[in-house]
Amino acid sequence: KQEVTQIPAALSVPEGENLVLNCSFTDSAIYNLQWFRQDPGKGLTSLLLIQSSQREQTSGRLNASLDKSSGRSTLYIAASQPGDSATYLCAAPRTSGSRLTFGEGTQLTVNP
Amino acid sequence: NAGVTQTPKFRVLKTGQSMTLLCAQDMNHEYMYWYRQDPGMGLRLIHYSVGEGTTAKGEVPDGYNVSRLKKQNFLLGLESAAPSQTSVYFCASSYGGPWETQYFGPGTRLLVL
Repeated sequence: KQEVTQIPAALSVPEGENLVLNCSFTDSAIYNLQWFRQDPGKGLTSLLLIQSSQREQTSGRLNASLDKSSGRSTLYIAASQPGDSATYLCAAPRTSGSRLTFGEGTQLTVNP
Repeated sequence: NAGVTQTPKFRVLKTGQSMTLLCAQDMNHEYMYWYRQDPGMGLRLIHYSVGEGTTAKGEVPDGYNVSRLKKQNFLLGLESAAPSQTSVYFCASSYGGPWETQYFGPGTRLLVL
């Protein structure tokens, strides 16, 4: 059974700081690794999807990396802004079946 | 494009009452999903559909039923609501399977008294 863990559960940083969010998974046989953003009271928005054959994926100030052998993914946010404040979730689909396993998320607060 | 929409946004039920949550998507996606999100439990899959007329059980299907009569709609029903079903419910869709990018609705907050 796949388990996805995100540490820390909450993170508070000053504006402008570069930061890293962590995601660990127990079953390395993942099809891909997905990062989502959730604003308070809203649904999830897809940020990045890293295929199992890729090492990283970039979108603007966001960079996600994937290391299947160690069961880890990181989301790097450069030059953080107050608008980045949200909960960030990672998820990994099993290679068979139809369930996406989600971590509980890291709640990020970027202080002006 | 509206993307994925959900109705209602918020509902209060008494134990034993029934209700239906409606999800609609205008992206011509084949796959649709219903999740619930609870503190400390994360997002868990209730039911999903791989196409019009099909449904399948997810991780936590008990107490829920679903129907996908039209490709764009996915309905989640609670026949006899219980306090344990108090949660935030999210619908999502994807063109291919769950390994592809999923698009989420804004959620329905349900309180069962």
